[in-house]
Amino acid sequence: TQLLEQSPQFLSIQEGENLTVYCNSSSVFSSLQWYRQEPGEGPVLLVTVVTGGEVKKLKRLTFQFGDARKDSSLHITAAQPGDTGLYLCAAVTSMNYGGSQGNLIFGKGTKLSVKP
Amino acid sequence: DAGVIQSPRHEVTEMGQEVTLRCKPISGHNSLFWYRQTMMRGLELLIYFNNNVPIDDSGMPEDRFSAKMPNASFSTLKIQPSEPRDSAVYFCASSLAHGGRYGYTFGSGTRLTVV
Repeated sequence: TQLLEQSPQFLSIQEGENLTVYCNSSSVFSSLQWYRQEPGEGPVLLVTVVTGGEVKKLKRLTFQFGDARKDSSLHITAAQPGDTGLYLCAAVTSMNYGGSQGNLIFGKGTKLSVKP
Repeated sequence: DAGVIQSPRHEVTEMGQEVTLRCKPISGHNSLFWYRQTMMRGLELLIYFNNNVPIDDSGMPEDRFSAKMPNASFSTLKIQPSEPRDSAVYFCASSLAHGGRYGYTFGSGTRLTVV
């Protein structure tokens, strides 16, 4: 069972379209992070959200933390081919989840492909 | 800073051989993490160090896996003997502290193939 469920798993869209990807859990988190991973590289931190209901914007990317701090969404406006990659959400768990207690655990990600 | 540096980038080895993966964290980062990424299981934390001390290795899959951090600028992950099911991308990451308060900076990974 994944502690962080991301949806959709795969998304293929045309340049210029808008999209939203989701990160859901039954657990409450003190903070949540979003990373983007490009092929052949490690994940790169995009944003950290801390407060329930918080909205952060990074150019065309809008991140929202759910009011109950159990879920988050990432919305991309007018997607570009450069947005292609694997989008991962990550959060700190207090559960003994493998060796991850007190550290970041990751969802499996949404693989986004933006076609020109 | 050059970021987190991992070597080698690619490793192909035969089953039963010893494999050593290397990592140089960002200078000044006190926490270092080893993750493994596969399509099936995503990113899994194997072990992490705080101030060069291993804190929790319960994510290490088997006794065949071991990790060391002899100083603040170097860590190794060793698999002995390697098996085909160990094939994955192994990432090293470092952070100012564990606990996720700060972002993790990942290296580019080592793609391991065991045949």
